[in-house]
Parts: sequence; C-alpha cells; structure tokens
Amino acid sequence: DQQVKQNSPSLSVQEGRISILNCDYTNSMFDYFLWYKKYPAEGPTFLISISSIKDKNEDGRFTVFLNKSAKHLSLHIVPSQPGDSAVYFCAATINAGGTSYGKLTFGQGTILTVHP
Amino acid sequence: EAGVAQSPRYKIIEKRQSVAFWCNPISGHATLYWYQQILGQGPKLLIQFQNNGVVDDSQLPKDRFSAERLKGVDSTLKIQPAKLEDSAVYLCASSPPAGGITGELFFGEGSRLTVL
Repeated sequence: DQQVKQNSPSLSVQEGRISILNCDYTNSMFDYFLWYKKYPAEGPTFLISISSIKDKNEDGRFTVFLNKSAKHLSLHIVPSQPGDSAVYFCAATINAGGTSYGKLTFGQGTILTVHP
Repeated sequence: EAGVAQSPRYKIIEKRQSVAFWCNPISGHATLYWYQQILGQGPKLLIQFQNNGVVDDSQLPKDRFSAERLKGVDSTLKIQPAKLEDSAVYLCASSPPAGGITGELFFGEGSRLTVL
C-alpha cells in the first residue's frame, strides 16, 4: 500500500528554469510533510517542510505547496541550478501534537537533472 | 557538530550469512531510526528507538532482523540469515527531543548491503 507516491521517476530542466516536483498521498491522517534531497552515496538531507495548517512554505529558492483537498503537494525550485541535480523524496507523517515525529512514510523519489 | 556515523559503508555477503551494521547518532538526539532503502524505492522505517526503548518495530522482519540500542546511544542492526531481497541501503537517522524545530530527521550516509 503506497501511501505516498511520486509518479514521476525523473525530471530534466534547464538551468535557470523552474523545477516542479509532485507528490500525492492517500492517508488523510498525514498532517506534516517534508522534502528531502539525496546525492549519490550520501544520506538524505532535509530540504523544507510544511504543516497541514498552511498551504505554502518558502525558503529561498525552494517553495512547497500543499493542497489538502487534493492530497497533493509540490516542490518548486526557482531558479534551478546544476547543483540541485539529485533525488528528491517527499515524506509524510502524522504529527499527533508533536509526539510522532520520525515515522516518516516516503515516496519513491524523483531524479532531478538540471542541465547547464 | 558531528553527523550520524554509520559503518560499514559497504558489505557483500552470501545468502544465509549474517551481517551487522552500527550507528552512532548525533549527540543529544534521543530518537534513533533504522530505515531500509531498496533500489528505486523510498526509505522504509524498520525500527524506531526512544532512548533505549523501542517505539515502533512493526515493519521489522523479526524472524531475521534484530536491533538494539544499549545505553540509549549507539545502535546495532543485525540480519541473520540474510536473503537476496535484503540487498539495500540501511540508513540510520536521529532526531532531537520532540522533533526539534522542523521535525526533520538527520540521516547517516548509509550502509549498502549486497547479498549474493
């Protein structure tokens, strides 16, 4: 049962353009969402997160949008840079008042390639 | 601040052999997690510790996998006997009490296991 899905295995964009990575979830209990970035031979590193009480969170070039009714979130990277080339994982959790952090359910990942 | 340390980075064994992975979390992080990442999939939680107690091991194949966190600091994950389908990257992660500010997990570089 894939509760978090990233339906695009890969995405290729030109440097300077916008990258949009998508994620869908099925469990309506999820109330906190995170994006991780992973380079080869390294562990995932945290990028940005959003609580279900918000519909947008921005951090520099990275913005995450949450559409609760559609159970969909997206990560926008503007402008994209070659160093952004990595695997991006969407993850979700049930916060339950701050006691359930950590039990993250991950999507399959999207490989982003940014061409110079 | 030192990150999450894992060893060994790579291990190749034959099926039915045993293997052990070690993890030392970030100092002060009470919660420790072991995730399994099979090629092409997102990380899947195997076990979560809070100090030296198990919070969640519902997805740990207990007939062959075991994990311990003695003294509430470092942890060992063991597989005995290994199967071909255990080939994966085993990621250790830790988080501060109450998930910190963002609820993020801090991952180690992972231990890549190949079972022949």
